[in-house]
Amino acid sequence: QQQVKQSPQSLIVQKGGIPIINCAYENTAFDYFPWYQQFPGKGPALLIAIRPDVSEKKEGRFTISFNKSAKQFSLHIMDSQPGDSATYFCAASIKDKLIFGTGTLLAVQP
Amino acid sequence: KAGVTQTPRYLIKTRGQQVTLSCSPISGHRSVSWYQQTPGQGLQFLFEYFSETQRNKGNFPGRFSGRQFSNSRSEMNVSTLELGDSALYLCASSLAGGGITYEQYFGPGTRLTVT
Repeated sequence: QQQVKQSPQSLIVQKGGIPIINCAYENTAFDYFPWYQQFPGKGPALLIAIRPDVSEKKEGRFTISFNKSAKQFSLHIMDSQPGDSATYFCAASIKDKLIFGTGTLLAVQP
Repeated sequence: KAGVTQTPRYLIKTRGQQVTLSCSPISGHRSVSWYQQTPGQGLQFLFEYFSETQRNKGNFPGRFSGRQFSNSRSEMNVSTLELGDSALYLCASSLAGGGITYEQYFGPGTRLTVT
């Protein structure tokens, strides 16, 4: 019940495309859903986060869509750039304990 | 504001030894969490400290321990190192408090290699 399932494992898109990464959870006690971006050799960087009372949140080119009834949430990256090539992790949290998805390796081709 | 800092950045130890890693949170943040990242198991929660008290603990053996000081700085210790402890150890800090989750900001990590 503590798992967060993330898909796809890897994703290749062309520059300007809109990659979509999906996550699903079971525990309805989760109260916070962040997305992190990680480059090789670096720590995860917080991209955007949402709470379960909101269905969508946009920050720059990044959008989270949240479906509380389906217990699913997704990350959309608008107008993707080669610099967005990284590993993306979704997570779900309860009282400051983050449960991470398995990660999606995104490659944006020029 | 300065970000989360972790020292050392790289460490090589031998099986059976022990190691201590250090984390300084963002100024004003009172919660510090530790995570282990490996290619096989991904990012796994170790424990979380708030006001010098461990509030949350993940599913790791007792060889993994931590503490937090009055200035919110935190250390984690791994005793009797095993080859499988080779990983990137990440520290994250957040404002915390009030019973809800706040944003967690990660440091660059300490890369531990056990030989």
